[in-house]
Amino acid sequence: EAQVTQNPRYLITVTGKKLTVTCSQNMNHEYMSWYRQDPGLGLRQIYYSMNVEVTDKGDVPEGYKVSRKEKRNFPLILESPSPNQTSLYFCASRPPFADEQFFGPGTRLTVL
Amino acid sequence: QQQVKQSPQSLIVQKGGISIINCAYENTAFDYFPWYQQFPGKGPALLIAIRPDVSEKKEGRFTISFNKSAKQFSLHIMDSQPGDSATYFCAADHSGGYQKVTFGTGTKLQVIP
Repeated sequence: EAQVTQNPRYLITVTGKKLTVTCSQNMNHEYMSWYRQDPGLGLRQIYYSMNVEVTDKGDVPEGYKVSRKEKRNFPLILESPSPNQTSLYFCASRPPFADEQFFGPGTRLTVL
Repeated sequence: QQQVKQSPQSLIVQKGGISIINCAYENTAFDYFPWYQQFPGKGPALLIAIRPDVSEKKEGRFTISFNKSAKQFSLHIMDSQPGDSATYFCAADHSGGYQKVTFGTGTKLQVIP
């Protein structure tokens, strides 16, 4: 089944403890992206990647890192999480020269 | 910094009524305007989209109206059903592109029987 998967789906952590949220797609998509969703603010893009080893900042990149070493994977790294990074995170991918983005099921992160 | 303004934030519509959600954008470089639908506990999924070379696109009960000069577009849901209850996001994007995507703030629609 063609899909975008994220792990973990739920995570509670403490301030300053490094964490990684994984994202994987099995559709051979080149474009991948991370968003955070917050009430009243909608979906805001954190980082996006046009292909392996090519990434760029979205609108809210502060406090996040990404890497794209393989086409299928696009992990989101929070090296020192803070409470203001408590949010619902979505990974998405898009085929080349196409418009529709395919979203993962989301990861709910709570930073205490 | 929000380049796409969406309204209203929430909307309650009677079953069979028309739901209307509006969006306005600033950057004229955008050339693809999708609407995504999100049910609780799920990721957003593409509902319908339009490019600025047409003023209207209809798919079943869902219609996008696009006003290029005003830099506005809207989603109309005709004959709204309880199953349409969801959060709707508009977005401004670059067609076939590998660039930044900007979403609106979302509209929570509730269709009551």
